[in-house]
Amino acid sequence: NAGVTQTPKFRILKIGQSMTLQCAQDMNHNYMYWYRQDPGMGLKLIYYSVGAGITDKGEVPNGYNVSRSTTEDFPLRLELAAPSQTSVYFCASSYSGSADTQYFGPGTRLTVL
Amino acid sequence: GQQVMQIPQYQHVQEGEDFTTYCNSSTTLSNIQWYKQRPGGHPVFLIQLVKSGEVKKQKRLTFQFGEAKKNSSLHITATQTTDVGTYFCAGRTQGGSEKLVFGKGTKLTVNP
Repeated sequence: NAGVTQTPKFRILKIGQSMTLQCAQDMNHNYMYWYRQDPGMGLKLIYYSVGAGITDKGEVPNGYNVSRSTTEDFPLRLELAAPSQTSVYFCASSYSGSADTQYFGPGTRLTVL
Repeated sequence: GQQVMQIPQYQHVQEGEDFTTYCNSSTTLSNIQWYKQRPGGHPVFLIQLVKSGEVKKQKRLTFQFGEAKKNSSLHITATQTTDVGTYFCAGRTQGGSEKLVFGKGTKLTVNP
């Protein structure tokens, strides 16, 4: 099993550009999460999904969109990138939610200039 | 909203010294998890505590969950250079949604 994979590893965007961060898991997990990690600020939840077709907002959803058309994939869309979205983005998955282990992907380091 | 406070933010120790990080929640938690993130890496699950007053050990690491289920601690005995990283606690409010709230983490550095 590859676990949780994320692409790309690094990306530089210009202000106003858009992009999609890809996340996939091959563990047949129902729950998937997107976090952002700013230096010294821990992990903040952007969006999460409890299953295909179901998504919900986390703590910091503004400026992002998600979709979950399959169990395996949970892409995160940035529209109109802003410098405040410069961060490291982690995708995670778990089998049965917040009472279960979360498995994190390797992260995407995004810089918006 | 629910907040999880973690202290200290940074801790530098000499190899062989002990280390403790503390986690406090503004609300009662149904469970608390601990993760370790090595420099440049991603968070990796260490353990979950669920019961009031629970204590769990993993070799030199001891995890505690408070009686009121509002605080937790991670204690490392005789630190080694392999313990370097940031330790995060994450908790879910009782009756809350499927969201884990993470503390800001404690960054541990170990001087050999």
